[in-house]
Parts: sequence; C-alpha cells; structure tokens
Amino acid sequence: KAGVTQTPRYLIKTRGQQVTLSCSPISGHRSVSWYQQTPGQGLQFLFEYFSETQRNKGNFPGRFSGRQFSNSRSEMNVSTLELGDSALYLCASSLRIGGGTKKDNEQFFGPGTRLTVL
Amino acid sequence: QKEVEQDPGPLSVPEGAIVSLNCTYSNSAFQYFMWYRQYSRKGPELLMYTYSSGNKEDGRFTAQVDKSSKYISLFIRDSQPSDSATYLCAMRHQAGTALIFGKGTTLSVSS
Repeated sequence: KAGVTQTPRYLIKTRGQQVTLSCSPISGHRSVSWYQQTPGQGLQFLFEYFSETQRNKGNFPGRFSGRQFSNSRSEMNVSTLELGDSALYLCASSLRIGGGTKKDNEQFFGPGTRLTVL
Repeated sequence: QKEVEQDPGPLSVPEGAIVSLNCTYSNSAFQYFMWYRQYSRKGPELLMYTYSSGNKEDGRFTAQVDKSSKYISLFIRDSQPSDSATYLCAMRHQAGTALIFGKGTTLSVSS
C-alpha cells in the first residue's frame, strides 16, 4: 500500500511570493490534515479536511488556506510569504474523522515539504 | 501556557537503559492520547494509542495516562540505537477534533 506522498519535497521562495503544496493520501483515506513543524514551536495544526470540507482549523492567519478534492487529494496555499513561514509542512491522512478506535485516530504522515523563505 | 508541554531534551542514554518520556497537559477534556516517533527527515509514525486513563503495553514500549495529574508517559525498556528519534506526545479532546502535539523529545541511544 503506497504511503502519503507530498510534493514538492523542497521549495525555496522569497518574501511576498505565494506557494502551493500538494498531498496525496493513502488510498481509501478520506481525511487529510496539515501541520507546520519548526524547531521553536514544534508540530502545529493548520487544518483538517474531510469530504472536501474543512472540519477543523488551527490558529494560523488567513494567508494559510487549503482545499480537498473529490479524490481526497489536498493542497495548501500560503500567500504573501514571510520569513517565519520557513518550516517543514507535513500532511497526514486518516481513514475518517471522528470515531474512538485506534484505527480511527491513527494519522499517517508524509515525509513533508521543506519550505525555505528568503 | 501551552496546552501540551514536553521537555525537548536532548536525552542521551546507553544501550539497554530504561527511558522515560513525559508530557503534561492543561486541559482536562483530553481523552485520546498518543505517542508518535519521528526519525530524522521522516514524518511521524504512531507508536502508542490510549483512550482515557490506564496503561498500554506493546513489546518494549509502555504508555501510561494519569488523567488526575494530567500527565502521560512513555517507557522504553532495553533501549536500542534504533530507538534514537524524536518522540512526540499528542492528544485530542474528543473524536473528530484537532490533534494537539507536544514539541517532542529528542532521544539518542548509544551502543
């Protein structure tokens, strides 16, 4: 079974530009979550999508947005990039949203996209 | 105060040692508790999952949840160099809500 894939793996952008990151979940998984990971703040939740609808949202400015397509693939966009947006962006997929079992709660992470803003 | 606190370490131990990793949290509403392991240049992977209080054992790993103290632990017995990684605790209030992570503890096991 193929894992979660993220493209591109590495990106270098300059301040003010915008960027789009892509995530393909494990086949059959319908929920996709996005996280930002930095040495200072750790892993911070951005948003979660299920059935093309945003179900949860973290405390990030509106410059961070996302969407999910009917095939469960997801993209996130960051507009007007700032130096502080340099981070590893991780995507995670899970079977569904809600449910109390381990299978329901387990998130499978991709390798991440390393974004550097100059 | 962050919702989930975790000492970043680093923690260095010799092979065969017992390792104890901990997280504290402030919100008593958390019900689902997890430990993820993240190797360098990889995404995190789920290691242990516990619902509510109690202990869960899986091989050399034991997860404990003490809801009265708002404290969770991960114990690694007979630690191996392959256990060298960053360990992240994670928790959520209820099914369907966002997963909140600790900052992670970096563990190094030397042979």
